[in-house]
Amino acid sequence: DIQMTQSPSSLSASVGDRVTITCQASQDISNYLNWYQQKPGKAPKLLIYDASNLETGVPSRFSGSGSGTDFTFTISSLQPEDIATYYCQQYDNLPPTFGQGTKLEIK
Amino acid sequence: EVQLVESGGGLVQPGGSLRLSCAASGFTFSSYWMHWVRQAPGKGLVWVSRINSDGSSTSYADSVKGRFTISRDNAKNTLYLQMNSLRAEDTAVYYCARDLAIFGVDVGYFDLWGRGTLVTVSS
Repeated sequence: DIQMTQSPSSLSASVGDRVTITCQASQDISNYLNWYQQKPGKAPKLLIYDASNLETGVPSRFSGSGSGTDFTFTISSLQPEDIATYYCQQYDNLPPTFGQGTKLEIK
Repeated sequence: EVQLVESGGGLVQPGGSLRLSCAASGFTFSSYWMHWVRQAPGKGLVWVSRINSDGSSTSYADSVKGRFTISRDNAKNTLYLQMNSLRAEDTAVYYCARDLAIFGVDVGYFDLWGRGTLVTVSS
């Protein structure tokens, strides 16, 4: 199975800050990398697909980049409603695998 | 409204069985591959199984292979997960999620999720 390693595991930032999360795959996954947001008690929500494509309806402050094994997810200006856990997910090979998650909190 | 609604979760003893359902509405269910993803309490997301648009092809995580069976009824717009020989480590919220198929191949991202149904395996 492809291992997905996210960092950091948790992050505290202030409203308005630029926030960056990284995700590293254990082997080349091209651009088959997606990002999800999960708020407490809720289902995950797709934010970014194929590494850099913004899902319809998702605010433009969210962005993604990368290819191969190294990927980055960025929130350009943190908002209070962005408090959640964020997961990366690869779909280059079965089984699809998720990172361990990054819990984002407001400082 | 476009939505997925899971049901069928509950408390079951180790070794027991449950069948989960996922009712789809508001979209063309037969155009999508479907997946089950689970999340143990306080833990991350783990993929469980997938089925293609017409139900002819399925895949499973090693941890559930031989115990779980995914199926679908496109006439009823419903996805199922039959879970047998349940173990304590199967305790989780189970989500169904859709995955668009283009030219018969799934795109690999889950753009709609249900709210989940909790399965607790305990004596």
